[in-house]
Amino acid sequence: KQEVTQIPAALSVPEGENLVLNCSFTDSAIYNLQWFRQDPGKGLTSLLLIQSSQREQTSGRLNASLDKSSGRSTLYIAASQPGDSATYLCAVFNTGGFKTIFGAGTRLFVKA
Amino acid sequence: AAGVIQSPRHLIKEKRETATLKCYPIPRHDTVYWYQQGPGQDPQFLISFYEKMQSDKGSIPDRFSAQQFSDYHSELNMSSLELGDSALYFCASSLGLRLAGGLNEQFFGPGTRLTVL
Repeated sequence: KQEVTQIPAALSVPEGENLVLNCSFTDSAIYNLQWFRQDPGKGLTSLLLIQSSQREQTSGRLNASLDKSSGRSTLYIAASQPGDSATYLCAVFNTGGFKTIFGAGTRLFVKA
Repeated sequence: AAGVIQSPRHLIKEKRETATLKCYPIPRHDTVYWYQQGPGQDPQFLISFYEKMQSDKGSIPDRFSAQQFSDYHSELNMSSLELGDSALYFCASSLGLRLAGGLNEQFFGPGTRLTVL
């Protein structure tokens, strides 16, 4: 059974700092891994998707990496801004099915 | 660009009543997913449909049922509502594994907030 864990659960950093969010999963038979952002009470915004054959994806100040063999992914945020404050969720889509398993998320607060 | 549409956005029901949530996927998307997110929790996968057939099932109660119609929109039917069903219900759509190079990137709707009193 796939389990997804995100560390840390919460993070508070000053503006301008570079930071790394971690996601680990127990079953390496994944089809892809997707990082989302969620603002309080709002929907999920897709940030980056990494296919199982890829090692990393970049979009602006965001870079996501994937090490399938070790069951880990990281989301790197460069030069953080107060507008980055949100909950960041990673989600794993397994092979052999249409089910997505989410981590509990990392709640990020960037102080101005 | 068109996004996933969910209706209604807010719904208040009494215990033991029924509710129907609707989801309209992004045009040309053939796969729909339903998720339930309780307060302070991560989204829990309920059920998915690919080309109008149920493709996978998660922690969906027997009181709930869903289907995908010929125009690819989907409905989640919830009966005998309980207080614990109060949550945000998200629908997501994707272009299935068969196409788009197999990306299957999911795009989420804004959610329906269901409150059961």
